[in-house]
Amino acid sequence: EDKVVQSPLSLVVHEGDTVTLNCSYEVTNFRSLLWYKQEKKAPTFLFMLTSSGIEKKSGRLSSILDKKELFSILNITATQTGDSAIYLCAVAVTSGSRLTFGEGTQLTVNP
Amino acid sequence: GAGVSQSPRYKVAKRGQDVALRCDPISGHVSLFWYQQALGQGPEFLTYFQNEAQLDKSGLPSDRFFAERPEGSVSTLKIQRTQQEDSAVYLCASSVQAYNEQFFGPGTRLTVL
Repeated sequence: EDKVVQSPLSLVVHEGDTVTLNCSYEVTNFRSLLWYKQEKKAPTFLFMLTSSGIEKKSGRLSSILDKKELFSILNITATQTGDSAIYLCAVAVTSGSRLTFGEGTQLTVNP
Repeated sequence: GAGVSQSPRYKVAKRGQDVALRCDPISGHVSLFWYQQALGQGPEFLTYFQNEAQLDKSGLPSDRFFAERPEGSVSTLKIQRTQQEDSAVYLCASSVQAYNEQFFGPGTRLTVL
């Protein structure tokens, strides 16, 4: 059975801190790994990673994938209160179109 | 439209009632997915459509759950004889094609009393 594990499950930081969120996976026929940010409603797409070692970056957020060690990290630098959300990691496989999600990391950024 | 829309946003049902949840995907998106998200958990896959064809329904928890997308655009998820364990947020997502990133709607929060 495909499995995605995120850590930590929750994290509280102060504005300006840098955070690293972790996602490890055990799946058959890996195709891609995706990160989403979920506030009170729709998960919003952040990154899709398919190749090892290539960093994807968007503003203060960046992510990288290690297909040998089966994990990905999401970094957020200079955190702001607006970064407070649940960050979801999901994996897609070649044998289907569904996403398998982890439990998410609840990030709280205090002023 | 600009994004995936879902209606209603909130639904309260008495145990045993039937409910229908609607999803309007992004215009032109061929693939449509339904997920169920319980409180404190990540979304779990329910079913997937490519145009009007339901290609994967392996995540539907019971035969009380039924989904359709008759014209390859709007989709409806129907739950018959709702039970308390059906209480969750039901998320719809669409993508250009099956292997592209999925874009999610705001979800329908279903509460079964």
